[in-house]
Amino acid sequence: AQKVTQAQTEISVVEKEDVTLDCVYETRDTTYYLFWYKQPPSGELVFLIRRNSFDEQNEISGRYSWNFQKSTSSFNFTITASQVVDSAVYFCALSEAGYGGSQGNLIFGKGTKLSVKP
Amino acid sequence: GAVVSQHPSRVICKSGTSVKIECRSLDFQATTMFWYRQFPKKSLMLMATSNEGSKATYEQGVEKDKFLINHASLTLSTLTVTSAHPEDSSFYICSAREPSGIATGELFFGEGSRLTVL
Repeated sequence: AQKVTQAQTEISVVEKEDVTLDCVYETRDTTYYLFWYKQPPSGELVFLIRRNSFDEQNEISGRYSWNFQKSTSSFNFTITASQVVDSAVYFCALSEAGYGGSQGNLIFGKGTKLSVKP
Repeated sequence: GAVVSQHPSRVICKSGTSVKIECRSLDFQATTMFWYRQFPKKSLMLMATSNEGSKATYEQGVEKDKFLINHASLTLSTLTVTSAHPEDSSFYICSAREPSGIATGELFFGEGSRLTVL
């Protein structure tokens, strides 16, 4: 069965520190997609990144970077030089493309609440 | 990216009343929409998959008579919480998938609707 584990429930850092949010997933499929979403206090989900299972290249977008390692089934997210505006709950999610009746559904981790203090 | 709009963003109602939440895809046609529920400090849990022109598919444990889903057009799905009770208070989020997203599993999320039942 599919499962996404975000072991860190809450993380608190001081502004300008780097922080890594962990995500470990389980799936039987060979084709799947991994996502990270940000949920600020206002509640909406903000899409950050999508990565397919065949692309293990790490990605950097500004202060954000992602490390995808199939060998350890991990898709970790690092924020460099964190800022107060980064404070939010971050969700890692998995989608098995073409899977059954809920094709396209996302399986979410429980989220990691990041607090960045000034 | 594609835009999904949800309305209302906040609703407060008395116990026993019914509440309707709308989810619209603004710039694309969504054959499939998903409804999620998020309890405080919890992950998002899929409630049901809404397919245009057919009955919704509910996840195990979700009462279909309590959470009525209608997907009458390619741009609108509605969730009606019938005879709402305080335990139905939650944050409800809809998502929709562009036709091109069938293979990628990419979903676009609405802003969410916070329901408070007194």
